[in-house]
Amino acid sequence: SQQGEEDPQALSIQEGENATMNCSYKTSINNLQWYRQNSGRGLVHLILIRSNEREKHSGRLRVTLDTSKKSSSLLITASRAADTASYFCAPRGVDSNYQLIWGAGTKLIIKP
Amino acid sequence: DAGITQSPRYKITETGRQVTLMCHQTWSHSYMFWYRQDLGHGLRLIYYSAAADITDKGEVSDGYVVSRSKTENFPLTLESATRSQTSVYFCASSEGFYNSPLHFGNGTRLTVT
Repeated sequence: SQQGEEDPQALSIQEGENATMNCSYKTSINNLQWYRQNSGRGLVHLILIRSNEREKHSGRLRVTLDTSKKSSSLLITASRAADTASYFCAPRGVDSNYQLIWGAGTKLIIKP
Repeated sequence: DAGITQSPRYKITETGRQVTLMCHQTWSHSYMFWYRQDLGHGLRLIYYSAAADITDKGEVSDGYVVSRSKTENFPLTLESATRSQTSVYFCASSEGFYNSPLHFGNGTRLTVT
């Protein structure tokens, strides 16, 4: 399977702590995107990192990409209750006709 | 309001019936996509469209039909619904393909009895 895989499947932390989610994939990629999904809603785009980039920041979000290890990580600093959601990575695979490859996501719960 | 709208939000239908899920976007994005989301699976691509009158199959297109006569609309039809098509369906759009983010609707939860 070329599916992107997030790890862990679920993560529960205290408000204010940092949350790290990982993503692994199997194909060469053009870019990798991270999305957030709140319960019962559509996905919301967070960050796009291109294959020639190693790190990207957006507010409290930091994404890294290691194409040699075919992996990416999403760090959310100083977590808030509103960060409670599922997070998905979506590599854009060269071998998948450049379609996004979706994993099952990481369910993040922020405890007050 | 600008955005992408899916209707209906919830739908219950019987096996064998035809059902159409609607998707409308106000950005004039070229690309539109239909995905289904099932527990334990990532999003799976059903169909996508690069422009009006240009559509292409995704990985799980069997049993589905799409059309795109206007840039802003991309309806998905289940020709003869089966229980295995019970799922949450998401429509998305993007301005470009390779380096553009997807913008998603809030989904249609379809139950086939």
